[in-house]
Amino acid sequence: GDSVTQMEGPVTLSEEAFLTINCTYTATGYPSLFWYVQYPGEGLQLLLKATKADDKGSNKGFEATYRKETTSFHLEKGSVQVSDSAVYFCALSDWDNQGGKLIFGQGTELSVKP
Amino acid sequence: GAGVSQTPSNKVTEKGKYVELRCDPISGHTALYWYRQSLGQGPEFLIYFQGTGAADDSGLPNDRFFAVRPEGSVSTLKIQRTERGDSAVYLCASSPTQAYNEQFFGPGTRLTVL
Repeated sequence: GDSVTQMEGPVTLSEEAFLTINCTYTATGYPSLFWYVQYPGEGLQLLLKATKADDKGSNKGFEATYRKETTSFHLEKGSVQVSDSAVYFCALSDWDNQGGKLIFGQGTELSVKP
Repeated sequence: GAGVSQTPSNKVTEKGKYVELRCDPISGHTALYWYRQSLGQGPEFLIYFQGTGAADDSGLPNDRFFAVRPEGSVSTLKIQRTERGDSAVYLCASSPTQAYNEQFFGPGTRLTVL
């Protein structure tokens, strides 16, 4: 079945460092791809999404590009802030084959130190 | 406007007891999803409602789990004969239509089975 694999955490960075969190997927169809974020004590929030190959999702300085050839959707940010400390989840949704359900990776915890 | 709400926020029960978890979706959202998140893991899909009907219940782990949405709005997840392995955070999400990709998550109910 469809699945999502993320790089393991925790990831610890200093403020203003460059961030990459790797995400790869397997899917029988052509899924939409998402990054969700869970800040401490809060619920899951959509960070960005891409619905087709070569689309780039972006929000709050974060970016991810849907790479069909490498089945990847890596999350990047050029300069992280302490406020970016959270758990990040990569997810896919394949409407044609799986309905609307989201399939999540295991999450990557990011800690940004001042 | 109001987001997805879930009650209770915490539920502690004893092994073998029956529990009900409630989800109030965003007003007007026709699609509703339940997920379960174990510690250190990503959310796992349980069931999806489109209106009043369960469109996909393939994620329910066994027949002790059941969910209803009788009027197409509020949903209740019911767990019979709870086991310690049922301990997790149960998340609810809603979406405007079945073809709309973004899901809006509630804060979750943390269930602890002693």
